[in-house]
Amino acid sequence: DGGITQSPKYLFRKEGQNVTLSCEQNLNHDAMYWYRQDPGQGLRLIYYSQIVNDFQKGDIAEGYSVSREKKESFPLTVTSAQKNPTAFYLCASSIPTGNTGELFFGEGSRLTVL
Amino acid sequence: AQKVTQAQTEISVVEKEDVTLDCVYETRDTTYYLFWYKQPPSGELVFLIRRNSFDEQNEISGRYSWNFQKSTSSFNFTITASQVVDSAVYFCALSERSSASKIIFGSGTRLSIRP
Repeated sequence: DGGITQSPKYLFRKEGQNVTLSCEQNLNHDAMYWYRQDPGQGLRLIYYSQIVNDFQKGDIAEGYSVSREKKESFPLTVTSAQKNPTAFYLCASSIPTGNTGELFFGEGSRLTVL
Repeated sequence: AQKVTQAQTEISVVEKEDVTLDCVYETRDTTYYLFWYKQPPSGELVFLIRRNSFDEQNEISGRYSWNFQKSTSSFNFTITASQVVDSAVYFCALSERSSASKIIFGSGTRLSIRP
């Protein structure tokens, strides 16, 4: 079935450790996104990528890094520089000219820093 | 700068009541797109509707309807004869043509339908 797969679903991290969240899509979409969701704050855009080997910062990119080496994959690394990383992370993709198309979301990854 | 405001944090109604979720947006672009998404307890967001700035016609889909008014920068969502399965968090979102692919979400409204 076509869709977006995020892994892991739950992740625990000690302070000071980097962690990478996986996002894979088989929808042949060019654009991919990472959002962070905190209670009462809705979804905030971390990074997005319109094509392979290119990506742009969203509104809260500090402490995060991404790569887009393949069309299907858009991993997100939460670095130790992110001061409050505990959150629910959602990956999404859309067809080209993404601002006209709907977003397809994965089931999310919940990161907890111990 | 683009911004989406959903002033209603939580709404609770009894089943079969009608309920309206408000969405107010800010943008400097003349070409933009508005969206509504539903997030059930499972966590995965589901697309409900997309509207472009040149189409102010109201849309109806079953028990769902949307009222787009450029004069008040609003894109409100009404559920008629609500059902328990409608319980979810609903997000309004905005994308400006000039921002190319950048989609910004509101803070969401948690809707609870009581049996």
